[in-house]
Amino acid sequence: SQQGEEDPQALSIQEGENATMNCSYKTSINNLQWYRQNSGRGLVHLILIRSNEREKHSGRLRVTLDTSKKSSSLLITASRAADTASYFCATVPKAPYGNKLVFGAGTILRVKS
Amino acid sequence: EAGVAQSPRYKIIEKRQSVAFWCNPISGHATLYWYQQILGQGPKLLIQFQNNGVVDDSQLPKDRFSAERLKGVDSTLKIQPAKLEDSAVYLCASSLKPGSPSYEQYFGPGTRLTVT
Repeated sequence: SQQGEEDPQALSIQEGENATMNCSYKTSINNLQWYRQNSGRGLVHLILIRSNEREKHSGRLRVTLDTSKKSSSLLITASRAADTASYFCATVPKAPYGNKLVFGAGTILRVKS
Repeated sequence: EAGVAQSPRYKIIEKRQSVAFWCNPISGHATLYWYQQILGQGPKLLIQFQNNGVVDDSQLPKDRFSAERLKGVDSTLKIQPAKLEDSAVYLCASSLKPGSPSYEQYFGPGTRLTVT
């Protein structure tokens, strides 16, 4: 089964509001990454947070990681219509689970203008 | 910088037929990945190459799927014979750092396969 599970499955907000997506995972990890996928396009890497980091920022994105709870959250502030996409968390599990990127099922975000 | 190129973008075949996908990674990227993304799910790694050697193919259905990476650059993924459950988007990705998925992966636009 896939490593990560995102919550909620779908989220609809108004432009200018903040959007928060959560990710839970099962095994110890080396790092956790968030990706965005627009309709009909490939995945784009957003941010990587290592297992010894608790918070990371990139522009309007803020990612937190709680390894004790095996969970992460992605906050998008002041959302725009262009942020409408699917967002996936992906983990790199520690050995012996394999040095590969394991994706969750994603959160579909719709930002209404 | 040119991105990861994939072709074709769309393919419709009947079950039991064969199909091949092509990927050209970003120049200089040593590691190449093929993922399968079924509708409503996240991508699942099928195979990982480092240069022209296979690093991980544990989730590749080897009875029908095969992949190769010639001269450590371009790669092809083949399905023969196709089944209905193979309908998915096949994504190719590459990364600069050899051997480790801990670094950013760059994805191509994908090939949407429909098996009827």
